[in-house]
Amino acid sequence: NAGVMQNPRHLVRRRGQEARLRCSPMKGHSHVYWYRQLPEEGLKFMVYLQKENIIDESGMPKERFSAEFPKEGPSILRIQQVVRGDSAAYFCASSPPSQGRETQYFGPGTRLLVL
Amino acid sequence: GEDVEQSLFLSVREGDSSVINCTYTDSSSTYLYWYKQEPGAGLQLLTYIFSNMDMKQDQRLTVLLNKKDKHLSLRIADTQTGDSAIYFCAESSGDTGRRALTFGSGTRLQVQP
Repeated sequence: NAGVMQNPRHLVRRRGQEARLRCSPMKGHSHVYWYRQLPEEGLKFMVYLQKENIIDESGMPKERFSAEFPKEGPSILRIQQVVRGDSAAYFCASSPPSQGRETQYFGPGTRLLVL
Repeated sequence: GEDVEQSLFLSVREGDSSVINCTYTDSSSTYLYWYKQEPGAGLQLLTYIFSNMDMKQDQRLTVLLNKKDKHLSLRIADTQTGDSAIYFCAESSGDTGRRALTFGSGTRLQVQP
């Protein structure tokens, strides 16, 4: 059973370009979470999605960032007009449908570098 | 808002026990987790504890929870060089509408041979 998959693993963008990060959850998992990790810091929650629904986006910056989890295909985190401060590791996690406790399983991350 | 704090660094000798500490502020925390991150990798779930438990043991790992003081610790027995990594404490309220994990900044464990 493959774990959470993210691609690309490394992404380099110039300021003003768009970054698209993809996440495929574990088989049978319908909940996806995105976190951002700045250098030497812990992970900060960004957004929680279920299929075709954004459940909690309280950690998402109000501008330039968006996320989706379509009925078919991976979850996408999109960052428009990237700036140097967006350089970070972006982690996706997934969990199964609600069973009272939903452990989140993390992918390997996408490391975004903005030049 | 919620806050989780950890000491930044711990150094131990191979074979000794390591104890990594964590404090949190959210009284409604229901689940508390320990994750391990090796360089350039994602987070690996090590163990978790439910808030109505005081202790959980899993092979070399022992988790202690003092709910009154909002203090969580992870003890690694017989620490090995392969245990060198960053260890993150995380908490969640378990609320179905808000499942975000709140992480500490991580404790870097260095194991010396």
